[in-house]
Amino acid sequence: DAKTTQPNSMESNEEEPVHLPCNHSTISGTDYIHWYRQLPSQGPEYVIHGLTSNVNNRMASLAIAEDRKSSTLILHRATLRDAAVYYCILRDYFFGNEKLTFGTGTRLTIIP
Amino acid sequence: DGGITQSPKYLFRKEGQNVTLSCEQNLNHDAMYWYRQDPGQGLRLIYYSQIVNDFQKGDIAEGYSVSREKKESFPLTVTSAQKNPTAFYLCASQHSGSRETQYFGPGTRLLVL
Repeated sequence: DAKTTQPNSMESNEEEPVHLPCNHSTISGTDYIHWYRQLPSQGPEYVIHGLTSNVNNRMASLAIAEDRKSSTLILHRATLRDAAVYYCILRDYFFGNEKLTFGTGTRLTIIP
Repeated sequence: DGGITQSPKYLFRKEGQNVTLSCEQNLNHDAMYWYRQDPGQGLRLIYYSQIVNDFQKGDIAEGYSVSREKKESFPLTVTSAQKNPTAFYLCASQHSGSRETQYFGPGTRLLVL
């Protein structure tokens, strides 16, 4: 499986934008980039996913590098409820049904 | 409300005992998954099922067993062969297809007495 690399932790001030990076230098052409987040003692929840183009939804934006070897999850205006562990995951277009491979993710701390 | 339920929220296991964790979904999803999470770690796949009466081992299936007799239900049994069962167990489900979102239950925390 192609792997992702994320910083262990990041801090951001409340109401400011947050940019969470993810490196995936061995990504294949059929891998989707998925982001999930996990609040303490809860199951992960889906945030966003994309293939090549940048994506926006009500929760976040996903910026994908032109060579697809890195991506950035953007929270436009962080709130205290965004404090969580964020996972960047690659999922194969053809075989992605089997599993999500979670790394250790980035623990995001929001400073009031 | 549609969603995934897991029970119990906390479960205690004695040495040598088998315990079963429940996972039920009413989302009409074909695929269901069990993950294990240790403190400070990501999730690791134990078993998954893409259709009723069929399931496959994940990365850490030893010491666990599952069944998929109904589309809505995917119970996980932690057997006595699992020597280090203390962990947070998460069940997930999704529609078939790699672009589909996985939805997770609230989890069961298993502790060994």
